[in-house]
Amino acid sequence: GAVVSQHPSRVICKSGTSVKIECRSLDFQATTMFWYRQFPKQSLMLMATSNEGSKATYEQGVEKDKFLINHASLTLSTLTVTSAHPEDSSFYICSASGGQGVAEAFFGQGTRLTVV
Amino acid sequence: AQSVSQHNHHVILSEAASLELGCNYSYGGTVNLFWYVQYPGQHLQLLLKYFSGDPLVKGIKGFEAEFIKSKFSFNLRKPSVQWSDTAEYFCAVSHSGGYQKVTFGTGTKLQVIP
Repeated sequence: GAVVSQHPSRVICKSGTSVKIECRSLDFQATTMFWYRQFPKQSLMLMATSNEGSKATYEQGVEKDKFLINHASLTLSTLTVTSAHPEDSSFYICSASGGQGVAEAFFGQGTRLTVV
Repeated sequence: AQSVSQHNHHVILSEAASLELGCNYSYGGTVNLFWYVQYPGQHLQLLLKYFSGDPLVKGIKGFEAEFIKSKFSFNLRKPSVQWSDTAEYFCAVSHSGGYQKVTFGTGTKLQVIP
């Protein structure tokens, strides 16, 4: 399958700072990227869907000003957690799809964010 | 809103035992169904998917799943598990556009004992 690389895999930051997580499709053009959050022992929760060159569509309850998503190219999307707080500590996972309809979405390895 | 329930949170089996992991979803419309697997330290990978057609779907590594519309179920099966099947398994559903807006279940951790 296609490769999606997520960076960093782990990050620790201080409260009040911002953290950027990158999601890259290495060998295909990702027209759509998805950002998920996973709490311990819980499911992956879709945070937002972004299409290249467009504003991201956020799921209900997700603060768009806190979780800034940029999808400026067909191979890169970024999630920036602004003014991070300990409750933002979580596992963030991206997936990328090469097209609409039945195009498979491939997952990154995830980023473990710890806010201290 | 769509939701997915996986009833078994942790399953422990001996090698060669048969496996069935339950998955039920709630959504009134046409659905696409998926099983993903996450091996320790690795990415989520697609195990198999159902979009339409034959409700018995065969995936990689000897896994299969059966879509029973009347029961809103998509259970995962394997006749004989191996130690290498130790992983976490996620059932997921989407209602449009294939992989758009996929909703995941909480996952089932499978531990296979040699």
